[in-house]
Amino acid sequence: EAGVAQSPRYKIIEKRQSVAFWCNPISGHATLYWYQQILGQGPKLLIQFQNNGVVDDSQLPKDRFSAERLKGVDSTLKIQPAKLEDSAVYLCASSLGRVGEQYFGPGTRLTVT
Amino acid sequence: DAKTTQPNSMESNEEEPVHLPCNHSTISGTDYIHWYRQLPSQGPEYVIHGLTSNVNNRMASLAIAEDRKSSTLILHRATLRDAAVYYCILRDPLPNAGGTSYGKLTFGQGTILTVHP
Repeated sequence: EAGVAQSPRYKIIEKRQSVAFWCNPISGHATLYWYQQILGQGPKLLIQFQNNGVVDDSQLPKDRFSAERLKGVDSTLKIQPAKLEDSAVYLCASSLGRVGEQYFGPGTRLTVT
Repeated sequence: DAKTTQPNSMESNEEEPVHLPCNHSTISGTDYIHWYRQLPSQGPEYVIHGLTSNVNNRMASLAIAEDRKSSTLILHRATLRDAAVYYCILRDPLPNAGGTSYGKLTFGQGTILTVHP
């Protein structure tokens, strides 16, 4: 089966610019996650969707980050405006249910200069 | 979130067994022990999970201490492709206090496994 797809794979922007990442989960997976992974650290959950509803966004910096999952399938994560400390790999994952095995995409490496 | 403690790094030789330890002294009765690994430049991938009994699958074995305060991930014959960061994670399948979030994965630093030819 096809895995989790993410695009772009790499993005370089200047601080204060905006950027968007796209994720297509595994077909039929109801739960979708966005993680931020800073170099040398483990991934940190930013937001979790169940179908198209948000169930956990407690660690999402809502003043600059936003995410949506239209129609309960694809999702986009946006940063506006970006800061230097947002440089990281942004990982999307999906699972069948809320506690199932999570399948991760390859990530988008963001560099903010 | 319950915490786990893992060594920062470990080394192994190819085709030898590898035992990756994890301490989780504050584990609760409903926490499952999950292991994920992250190969270079890839997203994490699921390895194995268990609750109380030892578990085996095609990738690895998970040995859980009787008091559940520690566990060990066993790779029976390490290959160069097993070089990765291994994360031990406690996962509670029950809903959080708000009743909305289930089974959150909280990644720590993990153990960097180096496999020598």
